[in-house]
Amino acid sequence: DQQVKQNSPSLSVQEGRISILNCDYTNSMFDYFLWYKKYPAEGPTFLISISSIKDKNEDGRFTVFLNKSAKHLSLHIVPSQPGDSAVYFCAASLGGGSEKLVFGKGTKLTVNP
Amino acid sequence: NAGVTQTPKFRILKIGQSMTLQCTQDMNHNYMYWYRQDPGMGLKLIYYSVGAGITDKGEVPNGYNVSRSTTEDFPLRLELAAPSQTSVYFCAVAGGLQETQYFGPGTRLLVL
Repeated sequence: DQQVKQNSPSLSVQEGRISILNCDYTNSMFDYFLWYKKYPAEGPTFLISISSIKDKNEDGRFTVFLNKSAKHLSLHIVPSQPGDSAVYFCAASLGGGSEKLVFGKGTKLTVNP
Repeated sequence: NAGVTQTPKFRILKIGQSMTLQCTQDMNHNYMYWYRQDPGMGLKLIYYSVGAGITDKGEVPNGYNVSRSTTEDFPLRLELAAPSQTSVYFCAVAGGLQETQYFGPGTRLLVL
């Protein structure tokens, strides 16, 4: 049973436009959400996170939105750059200070020049 | 300051062989994790450790063993390798609960 779902395996956008990556979750006990970016042959790198007590967190070109009632979060990248081309993983952490992260399958973003 | 290092980068094993994947960190973080990533899938937690001498199972621990004798090292042992263990293995470290996990570059393992 997949608790964190990224239903779009891939996304292609033009440079300068907005990229929107989506993530849905099923476990209402998740209280902390993260986005990781992964380039080929490298480990994932942390991008941005959001606590369940917030509905938005912004860091430069990256903004994460959380809709708890819909169990949905999204990552917005504005403006998109070719260097943003990578696989993006959504991850969630259980409440109670769990050490464990549950990852989605990832969405491959391609930003075309 | 190397962060998180993993060795080897790539390895081919025959069915039934054993090996140890090494993970070393110089970040002085207590939390360490082992994940595997199968093609087209997300990362799945194999084992984790919250400090030297303390380890616990993750989502997919079968076929693996770990130990944590020091803060710096968290080796993952595969006994009796099987084709189902063909995957990319990532080690990660974190300073504490719900803190950012920093990943190593990964070890690609092929079991034939």
